[in-house]
Amino acid sequence: GENVEQHPSTLSVQEGDSAVIKCTYSDSASNYFPWYKQELGKGPQLIIDIRSNVGEKKDQRIAVTLNKTAKHFSLHITETQPEDSAVYFCAASKGAGGTSYGKLTFGQGTILTVHP
Amino acid sequence: DVKVTQSSRYLVKRTGEKVFLECVQDMDHENMFWYRQDPGLGLRLIYFSYDVKMKEKGDIPEGYSVSREKKERFSLILESASTNQTSMYLCASGTGQGNEQFFGPGTRLTVL
Repeated sequence: GENVEQHPSTLSVQEGDSAVIKCTYSDSASNYFPWYKQELGKGPQLIIDIRSNVGEKKDQRIAVTLNKTAKHFSLHITETQPEDSAVYFCAASKGAGGTSYGKLTFGQGTILTVHP
Repeated sequence: DVKVTQSSRYLVKRTGEKVFLECVQDMDHENMFWYRQDPGLGLRLIYFSYDVKMKEKGDIPEGYSVSREKKERFSLILESASTNQTSMYLCASGTGQGNEQFFGPGTRLTVL
């Protein structure tokens, strides 16, 4: 089955710096790559996603890049703010169709701390 | 807004007890999922359901079962709780067409 590796496990930055979290996946059939943010005491929430027919996607201060050949994707957060502090998870999926049912395989998570 | 609710935020049970974790979603989603979250291991899929009374094993189904009698409700059952099932349990739902999963707040289960 799919295996997703995420690095680093912890990341500490100063407010205003950029943060980058990287993930690799093993199954070349995966075609959907979401990123979830989990704040303390809450469930994960989708912040951005990318499909395999796109190399990069941006939404204000966050962006995701995908390299299908190398089977890795990354989350970039620019101009970090203290409220960006949370646990971030990457995931991979073969999509909602067929017998995949939108199943996600998650990475191990990254604890991001943004210091004021 | 999609809302996924879980019956308890915190639960303490004894070894050998039968434990029920309930999850309800209000968006008429076809798919529902149960994960456990452990530090350094991320979220691991226990079971999922793509329709009423339909279920499939995830990556770590041992020691668990599920029930989906109504579309909006998905229950996780620990037949005989053990200490290694102490964990955070997260429920999620999603449509049959889209990929996004919507998560509940989680239940932190401690088995003594």
